[in-house]
Amino acid sequence: GAGVSQTPSNKVTEKGKYVELRCDPISGHTALYWYRQSLGQGPEFLIYFQGTGAADDSGLPNDRFFAVRPEGSVSTLKIQRTERGDSAVYLCASSPGGGTSGLSSYNEQFFGPGTRLTVL
Amino acid sequence: AQSVTQLDSQVPVFEEAPVELRCNYSSSVSVYLFWYVQYPNQGLQLLLKYLSGSTLVESINGFEAEFNKSQTSFHLRKPSVHISDTAEYFCAVSGKGSNYKLTFGKGTLLTVNP
Repeated sequence: GAGVSQTPSNKVTEKGKYVELRCDPISGHTALYWYRQSLGQGPEFLIYFQGTGAADDSGLPNDRFFAVRPEGSVSTLKIQRTERGDSAVYLCASSPGGGTSGLSSYNEQFFGPGTRLTVL
Repeated sequence: AQSVTQLDSQVPVFEEAPVELRCNYSSSVSVYLFWYVQYPNQGLQLLLKYLSGSTLVESINGFEAEFNKSQTSFHLRKPSVHISDTAEYFCAVSGKGSNYKLTFGKGTLLTVNP
């Protein structure tokens, strides 16, 4: 079946502009994660959705970053007043189930190819 | 809070040589442990994971990793590498609660030369 898809694959914008990054998870996956990977670094957690709600947004760096998942499927990461330091690859991952703890509830995260954001 | 340290940013080896990629973690709670691989121009893929049970876990392509709780390590090994193993390898941990968000190391670039 289809994997996680992200659009656009590349986005170049100017400092101060607004951008939206889209993630289409695997059908039926209720958990969705956003990560950011800066050059030379590992991915860093941004936000976790369980269904439609943001269960953990502790990784969002500041209030310029916002994400939604209104119908519990597609998610959009929104960045206002972009800065050069926002340049990175933004990764989305989805997994089935979740929302409960314990070994039996663990599910693998499947990653999309990422969106490379460049802020000039 | 959790953190992951990958001690080597780059590891060059010759084909058919053994390799070890080192990973140490720090956490105030017990964690699950993972190795992810990113081949050139591809997305992140799960290579192997430790959730519970035997501390030695294996992947389908010959990699293995051993969880050492006393040393808080999860080193990745392969006895004989191939050119096709050239990739970036990331060690990661997650908590055992309902939120399985991953904390990654900075990655190790494994380059296998002929």
